[in-house]
Amino acid sequence: AQTVTQSQPEMSVQEAETVTLSCTYDTSENNYYLFWYKQPPSRQMILVIRQEAYKQQNATENRFSVNFQKAAKSFSLKISDSQLGDTAMYFCAATGTASKLTFGTGTRLQVTL
Amino acid sequence: DTGVSQNPRHKITKRGQNVTFRCDPISEHNRLYWYRQTLGQGPEFLTYFQNEAQLEKSRLLSDRFSAERPKGSFSTLEIQRTEQGDSAMYLCAIDIRGLGETQYFGPGTRLLVL
Repeated sequence: AQTVTQSQPEMSVQEAETVTLSCTYDTSENNYYLFWYKQPPSRQMILVIRQEAYKQQNATENRFSVNFQKAAKSFSLKISDSQLGDTAMYFCAATGTASKLTFGTGTRLQVTL
Repeated sequence: DTGVSQNPRHKITKRGQNVTFRCDPISEHNRLYWYRQTLGQGPEFLTYFQNEAQLEKSRLLSDRFSAERPKGSFSTLEIQRTEQGDSAMYLCAIDIRGLGETQYFGPGTRLLVL
């Protein structure tokens, strides 16, 4: 079984600034994958970034990067140069060999002018 | 384009009625998943298919829920005798061949049971 915890229900950041969203997880599996998904208001779930647990190098996707601390079971998302279009609900998720995704409760990010 | 379409996008029904949702994968894929998302929460796994075979069902999937995937292409999720607690967004997702465990979601069907 896996659990995913997001302890920040809401965050706010000014445009062009950097923000970090936190996520911790627990799993008994040796091989697993971690994800951040974005869900804008009334719009569909979009994959932001993906990390394979066996890779030590942190994943990066343009302005989005992760800080993956395997021993601490921590998987935070950093958004650089925040844009108004980044306003959304962000979900951390994990999956292992069982295929199904386990999601956290989400962090609502508001980007302000 | 995430490779998944869902119909209908919205459904309003009265308690006790049956409803059916459909998921059509557009892209070539490996597995197909159903999730339920209630307001302010993260999605919760319901079930998944590999080809026609339904390989796992969550305990959330009561006997009023049934999912099918005839011929391994589109999938349907039916809820019988709907209850107000069934009001939620129902999401379909696929994972793409060659991209490992990454799942891509459709736009969802929002169900409101009155």
